[in-house]
Amino acid sequence: DIQMTQSPSSLSASVGDRVTITCRASQSISSYLNWYQQKPGKAPKLLIYAASSLQSGVPSRFSGSGSGTDFTLTISSLQPEDFATYYCQQSYSTPGFGPGTKVDIK
Amino acid sequence: QLQLQESGPGLVKPSETLSLTCTVSGGSISSSSYYWGWIRQPPGKGLEWIGSIYYSGSTYYNPSLKSRVTISVDTSKNQFSLKLSSVTAADTAVYYCARRDLTIAALDYWGQGTLVTVSS
Repeated sequence: DIQMTQSPSSLSASVGDRVTITCRASQSISSYLNWYQQKPGKAPKLLIYAASSLQSGVPSRFSGSGSGTDFTLTISSLQPEDFATYYCQQSYSTPGFGPGTKVDIK
Repeated sequence: QLQLQESGPGLVKPSETLSLTCTVSGGSISSSSYYWGWIRQPPGKGLEWIGSIYYSGSTYYNPSLKSRVTISVDTSKNQFSLKLSSVTAADTAVYYCARRDLTIAALDYWGQGTLVTVSS
């Protein structure tokens, strides 16, 4: 079983800030890592797939990087609509999600 | 535009079986490019993948739930379904259905989710 961890579990930031979220897998998952954004009461939305590929329609301020066990999601300039919870998910084996990182307003 | 819609009882008694259906519109469930899956989220908590099914009926399940889960597909109705047996309060959650695109190995379309409460 591959375990996913995320850090931090929450963060406070201001509009315009650069935000970085880290995801770590318990074993190598190559680039089989996806990132989702979830707002309260809504379904998750795919942002990044295969560690660094931007899903169609997602703003370019979102980017992903990493391979193996360590991955990052970066928001280059935080916008008001970006305050949400972000989850990483590995698709290398039986799918599993990280515990989430909540981004709220400072 | 592809849409997924969950349906089923919002309240289930302990020890009974939870049954949900996901109806897919705007696209065919019989495409060879996708798996169709269920994910759940207990109130205030994170996401848990339950299992997925291919249009041919091939399934794979979360090992932690495998003994209680059955996912089936009805291609004639463009639907797939979830059954979770012997439920307890710990199974109270919002249940989402979603499409897994095999090309990108990610869940690219999601239903809006439906809250299922386990209570007597």
